[in-house]
Amino acid sequence: NAGVTQTPKFRVLKTGQSMTLLCAQDMNHEYMYWYRQDPGMGLRLIHYSVGEGTTAKGEVPDGYNVSRLKKQNFLLGLESAAPSQTSVYFCASSYSMGNRDSPLHFGNGTRLTVT
Amino acid sequence: ILNVEQSPQSLHVQEGDSTNFTCSFPSSNFYALHWYRWETAKSPEALFVMTLNGDEKKKGRISATLNTKEGYSYLYIKGSQPEDSATYLCAFISVSNYQLIWGAGTKLIIKP
Repeated sequence: NAGVTQTPKFRVLKTGQSMTLLCAQDMNHEYMYWYRQDPGMGLRLIHYSVGEGTTAKGEVPDGYNVSRLKKQNFLLGLESAAPSQTSVYFCASSYSMGNRDSPLHFGNGTRLTVT
Repeated sequence: ILNVEQSPQSLHVQEGDSTNFTCSFPSSNFYALHWYRWETAKSPEALFVMTLNGDEKKKGRISATLNTKEGYSYLYIKGSQPEDSATYLCAFISVSNYQLIWGAGTKLIIKP
C-alpha cells in the first residue's frame, strides 16, 4: 500500500516553462488536494477535487490548472512558471468530505524552484 | 476571514521534559480540528481528529484537548524524546465550507 505518491520530488524550471506534477493515491479516496507550503505560512490550498472528473479552486489557484481524469490521479499544471511559484507542493487525499472523521494523507512533496 | 493561530512559533525543550502548545481558531461554526506532525524531509502525518467540545485524545505520550466554545486546542507531549522533534500543525474546519484552514505550525526541537 503506497498511499499517496508524488512525482517528481525536485524540479528546477526557468521562468515561462511549463510542467505537470503528478499525484497518485491507492486508497480509493474521493477527495484530493494540492497545497503549497512557503516559509512562515500555513499550507495553502491551490485546487481540490471531490471526485473523478471534478475540480474546484482553492485559496491560491492563479497560475495553476488541475485535472482529475481518473479517481486515483490528480495532476497539477503550471503553464508558464513564475519565480513566485517557487515552493514546496504537497498532494493529499481523504476519504470523506469535511474530513470530520477522515484525516488527510499526504504525499512526500515536490520542491520546485523557478529561476 | 477565518484565522488559525499556533503558539509558540518554535520551542526548544530539554529531553525528558514535558511541553504543550496551542492552536487558536474561530469559536463559531466549528466542525472539526485536526492535528498533524510534520518531520523534516517527510510529509505531514495525522495525529488526531477532534470533533466534540471537551474531547481529549491520546496517542502514546502525546495528547490533545479541545475547547470549541473558546476556540482553542492544546497539544501535550509528556517526557519529550528526540524523535518528537517536528513541526506540529493544526487545521480548523468550519461548517461554512468544510475546507481545512491551517495554522503556520509550532516547530518543536528536543535538546538531548
